[in-house]
Amino acid sequence: ILNVEQSPQSLHVQEGDSTNFTCSFPSSNFYALHWYRWETAKSPEALFVMTLNGDEKKKGRISATLNTKEGYSYLYIKGSQPEDSATYLCAAVSGGYNKLIFGAGTRLAVHP
Amino acid sequence: DGGITQSPKYLFRKEGQNVTLSCEQNLNHDAMYWYRQDPGQGLRLIYYSQIVNDFQKGDIAEGYSVSREKKESFPLTVTSAQKNPTAFYLCASTGEGHGELFFGEGSRLTVL
Repeated sequence: ILNVEQSPQSLHVQEGDSTNFTCSFPSSNFYALHWYRWETAKSPEALFVMTLNGDEKKKGRISATLNTKEGYSYLYIKGSQPEDSATYLCAAVSGGYNKLIFGAGTRLAVHP
Repeated sequence: DGGITQSPKYLFRKEGQNVTLSCEQNLNHDAMYWYRQDPGQGLRLIYYSQIVNDFQKGDIAEGYSVSREKKESFPLTVTSAQKNPTAFYLCASTGEGHGELFFGEGSRLTVL
């Protein structure tokens, strides 16, 4: 079974700080990498789906990079705001079907 | 509005009882999934279905059963054979291969 690791497990930052998290996955047979944001009492929502080595995607203050050769992806948040507080999940897809294997998530708390 | 509806949100069950969790989507998606979340762990795949009347076991299918008689519906039954059923259950769907998942808000099952 594909093993996806996320670090750190949790993170506390002050409003305005920039932060980043890591997602590691086996690089063999890689197909796609997903990032989701999961706010308390809500559904997880997709941030990015990336497939190509060197992919960089951006949505507002959040961006992500992908290195499929070494098996990692970074998620960056620039100028964190309290509304960014959530658990950030990454999931890797290996093989021909959209079967996602999720990491345990990084829980971010942004303090005013 | 299009989306995924899970019910019930909270469910209590006595040991030895089967219970069925509902998942309905009006997104016209072909593929649907059931995940389980336990504290400190990533989402783990229970069952998935690519098309009506077809479904496959995920990584932790033992003690669970599903059906896919309609495109919109993918109910999950937690049977008495599931040794540790207390968990948070998430249903998801996707409309294209390797596309983002759309999630419901989840069902929390507690076995008394």
